[in-house]
Amino acid sequence: DTAVSQTPKYLVTQMGNDKSIKCEQNLGHDTMYWYKQDSKKFLKIMFSYNNKELIINETVPNRFSPKSPDKAHLNLHINSLELGDSAVYFCASSQEFPPGPRLNEQFFGPGTRLTVL
Amino acid sequence: ELKVEQNPLFLSMQEGKNYTIYCNYSTTSDRLYWYRQDPGKSLESLFVLLSNGAVKQEGRLMASLDTKARLSTLHITAAVHDLSATYFCAALGGATNKLIFGTGTLLAVQP
Repeated sequence: DTAVSQTPKYLVTQMGNDKSIKCEQNLGHDTMYWYKQDSKKFLKIMFSYNNKELIINETVPNRFSPKSPDKAHLNLHINSLELGDSAVYFCASSQEFPPGPRLNEQFFGPGTRLTVL
Repeated sequence: ELKVEQNPLFLSMQEGKNYTIYCNYSTTSDRLYWYRQDPGKSLESLFVLLSNGAVKQEGRLMASLDTKARLSTLHITAAVHDLSATYFCAALGGATNKLIFGTGTLLAVQP
């Protein structure tokens, strides 16, 4: 069983479009995250939710809006996509916030590779 | 603001050799994490280090933490090809509890 799943795995779209990425975890974790990994592999946190409440909201364009309908789901909606939004987006979850201290308390999803043309 | 630097950025090593990846962070941090990422894949948690002098080992990898020097190391012993991957360290930002990642070290183990 997949612990953290994301859909879609690949997303190719035109500039200006609106798209969503979905994330689900079946681990019973309380905290979920969105990370962005750019073309140079640099990873940066975007958002975090704990028990459906937004607890980390990094300086990202307000075209990005997370939504957590319940503890097991965290979706990312992006409006008016731009070329610079092309990246791999990882969802993650952890039992506690911040993650750890025990190992195997944080799991990452497989990633969604977003390409904006 | 917490900054995390790793070096080297790229490491090519032969099987059977030992080497160390270094992770420096700029301000006090409560936790230090190490992750592995295979090409085109997700991140896998390797170690979580909590206190000064903490040392953890798993197979050929050993991670340590020196909070006074703000330095963590990932030591690779007798490298094998299967260890080829990108390794990231991440430090926990104090006030914000955000994970700040290093730049990653691409490890290529040559047979």
